[in-house]
Amino acid sequence: NAGVMQNPRHLVRRRGQEARLRCSPMKGHSHVYWYRQLPEEGLKFMVYLQKENIIDESGMPKERFSAEFPKEGPSILRIQQVVRGDSAAYFCASSRTGGFTDTQYFGPGTRLTVL
Amino acid sequence: AQSVTQLDSQVPVFEEAPVELRCNYSSSVSVYLFWYVQYPNQGLQLLLKYLSGSTLVKGINGFEAEFNKSQTSFHLRKPSVHISDTAEYFCAVSAVSGGSNYKLTFGKGTLLTVNP
Repeated sequence: NAGVMQNPRHLVRRRGQEARLRCSPMKGHSHVYWYRQLPEEGLKFMVYLQKENIIDESGMPKERFSAEFPKEGPSILRIQQVVRGDSAAYFCASSRTGGFTDTQYFGPGTRLTVL
Repeated sequence: AQSVTQLDSQVPVFEEAPVELRCNYSSSVSVYLFWYVQYPNQGLQLLLKYLSGSTLVKGINGFEAEFNKSQTSFHLRKPSVHISDTAEYFCAVSAVSGGSNYKLTFGKGTLLTVNP
């Protein structure tokens, strides 16, 4: 059973460009979570999605960031007009249900570098 | 809101020695507690979790952790480490109440390096 897949693993963008990060959850999982790890910090929750729905986006910056999890295909985290402060590791996790007893399985992360 | 402090950013040990990775948390509500491990170029993998019941929790790969509510700690231990335990270890919490127990709050991580 393949784990959570994220691509690309490394992404370099210049200031002002767009970054698209993709996450394919584990088979049978319909709940996806995005976390961001800034340098020298712990992972911080950004957004929780189910298929076609955003459940909780309380951790998302108000501007330039958006996320989706369409009926078909991977979840996408989109960052428009990137700035140097967006440089970080972005982790995706998935779970079968959203319950507290259900383990979140993490992908290897996407390292975004903004030049 | 919750916060997690991992007191050591790096812990070097020799093979077959015991190890303890420290984790303290702060929260105004009851929490669930987790330890994750990240091997190089891989995703975070759940080692163990405390939801309720016995405060001593056993996980995979011979690790265990003890929840101490009075000291707000959840330290991770292994009596004898192997080279293959070299990895980054993350402590995390989530709130029991409030409807957002899926929201994990992580510490900054502890890099465990096991030397021969």
